[in-house]
Amino acid sequence: KAGVTQTPRYLIKTRGQQVTLSCSPISGHRSVSWYQQTPGQGLQFLFEYFSETQRNKGNFPGRFSGRQFSNSRSEMNVSTLELGDSALYLCASSFDSHNEQFFGPGTRLTVL
Amino acid sequence: KQEVTQIPAALSVPEGENLVLNCSFTDSAIYNLQWFRQDPGKGLTSLLLIQSSQREQTSGRLNASLDKSSGRSTLYIAASQPGDSATYLCAAAGTIETSGSRLTFGEGTQLTVNP
Repeated sequence: KAGVTQTPRYLIKTRGQQVTLSCSPISGHRSVSWYQQTPGQGLQFLFEYFSETQRNKGNFPGRFSGRQFSNSRSEMNVSTLELGDSALYLCASSFDSHNEQFFGPGTRLTVL
Repeated sequence: KQEVTQIPAALSVPEGENLVLNCSFTDSAIYNLQWFRQDPGKGLTSLLLIQSSQREQTSGRLNASLDKSSGRSTLYIAASQPGDSATYLCAAAGTIETSGSRLTFGEGTQLTVNP
């Protein structure tokens, strides 16, 4: 069974640009969650999608948004990038809420 | 608001030693607790999941315990090996009503096992 995949693995952007990250969950998993990991703040929850609906949202500004497609694949978008958005963005999938979560390798975003 | 703390922040041990990593959480109304391992620059690998109704889970040389009433979990690693060197993270999941699938992570324990 293939694991969680994330594309791209690395991104370099400049301030003010926008970026879209993609996550493909494990086959059969319906819940996809996104996390931001930085050295200073650790792992912080961004949002969760389940059956194309946002089920839960963390404390991030509206520049961070996401969506989920009918095949459970998810994308997150960050608009008007700031230097502080540089981080490792991790996606996790699970069959349903509160099942074991499996993480992808992450997308390393660098904002210059 | 759930807060998760891990002690120690870093640990260096000789190969073969048995060791314990600690995790504490402030809100005992958790649904489950999950332990992960993260290698530098990589994603998280799930190690063990303990449901709130369970006291412990075992996988190979790993054993995790959960005491909801005291807000604590421990990860025991037996006969440590250099390949165990990584950052270990614990994460608490709240009830569906309060947090959905949201995991609240600790800061992690950076483990180094010396040959």
